Amino acid sequence: ETGVTQTPRHLVMGMTNKKSLKCEQHLGHNAMYWYKQSAKKPLELMFVYSLEERVENNSVPSRFSPECPNSSHLFLHLHTLQPEDSALYLCASSQNSGSYEQYFGPGTRLTVT
Amino acid sequence: EDQVTQSPEALRLQEGESSSLNCSYTVSGLRGLFWYRQDPGKGPEFLFTLYSAGEEKEKERLKATLTKKESFLHITAPKPEDSATYLCAVQAGTGRRALTFGSGTRLQVQP
Repeated sequence: ETGVTQTPRHLVMGMTNKKSLKCEQHLGHNAMYWYKQSAKKPLELMFVYSLEERVENNSVPSRFSPECPNSSHLFLHLHTLQPEDSALYLCASSQNSGSYEQYFGPGTRLTVT
Repeated sequence: EDQVTQSPEALRLQEGESSSLNCSYTVSGLRGLFWYRQDPGKGPEFLFTLYSAGEEKEKERLKATLTKKESFLHITAPKPEDSATYLCAVQAGTGRRALTFGSGTRLQVQP
């Protein structure tokens, strides 16, 4: 595997379900990110982790819970979501210092019914 | 507050018809300006980073330039495979790692 991978690629869940999104980066980076991309809106940053420590949380509702067990893996735990949470969820990674070019995974298309 | 505005929102070109996409920005001390390409249903693909006014970078038919207020992505003799949404993002020099993205320009190149 190379680059940034995300699973699952597609997810349909009911509002009462609990599910998790997984991201893995194979680039040796130290920072990882979760973004939300809704139709016709700019990418919205949700969380930033640096060396497994959460360093930014962009006022995201508590029904989204991130977890970063090590610098290569990032999870987004989902529970009691709303239909407006349906979107493309993108994971990205970057080096921790110097240029912060971010490399993105393919995303998980989430539909909340 | 950092802001990024991209124009036009959508652009349709004939194959071989050169044009430019615009990215205007307001940021507290620019650390870097980034261009990405995004195909439908996929994650953004990194293209360029620009750091200071006057800088230019090229990749195949794409050339990115930067001034103190805006960046341009010039597309020379585009091909249908250049069709995608092009995203611009800025990083402020305030220590934050987060990027602020524009809404993108959706480019369609017709054969």
